[in-house]
Amino acid sequence: DSGVTQTPKHLITATGQRVTLRCSPRSGDLSVYWYQQSLDQGLQFLIQYYNGEERAKGNILERFSAQQFPDLHSELNLSSLELGDSALYFCASSVDSQETQYFGPGTRLLVL
Amino acid sequence: QKEVEQDPGPLSVPEGAIVSLNCTYSNSAFQYFMWYRQYSRKGPELLMYTYSSGNKEDGRFTAQVDKSSKYISLFIRDSQPSDSATYLCAMCPGAGGTSYGKLTFGQGTILTVHP
Repeated sequence: DSGVTQTPKHLITATGQRVTLRCSPRSGDLSVYWYQQSLDQGLQFLIQYYNGEERAKGNILERFSAQQFPDLHSELNLSSLELGDSALYFCASSVDSQETQYFGPGTRLLVL
Repeated sequence: QKEVEQDPGPLSVPEGAIVSLNCTYSNSAFQYFMWYRQYSRKGPELLMYTYSSGNKEDGRFTAQVDKSSKYISLFIRDSQPSDSATYLCAMCPGAGGTSYGKLTFGQGTILTVHP
């Protein structure tokens, strides 16, 4: 158990809908990262927040957004969902911006 | 061409074998190199990390980095059935840049160790 929690574990929704994924980092960690894992693209970095502020951005679609709250938990919002958004979404955390990131169990999203 | 290339396998070995997993990369800015293990339907688990070139050993696992060749390896000695998982290499640039902490992953190698 990494200490990073993610909810929900599974999510099934329809195209065009909007969902919110939630992540709680390990105690003491200030950075939260979001990654998407799909069969064809592998594990891809989406976005990083540090202590409430966006710090780095990857190939995140405009339909996707994230935020980190004062209690350091983070939410990833996915809107206008498409079939291709079906994937595993992982959250990771670290003390600061660093290489030693600890991953949560992921949220499996299925868009029908 | 992807920044990080990793042979997806699958790789099947008998219990007790030495396993060698490899990744190549093209971005010379990468300074930190990690290996993650991912069991089916679980999140990636950090196994090893090294900074710059060199070797690092932890129990049955040895990580090697050769920056001159842009090549990293993970060796597993005395492999066990419980080592069966997907192994992902990951890397990121050095501290101070805007991309520090942004991990770039290989595709992952599926390893099966059979009794």
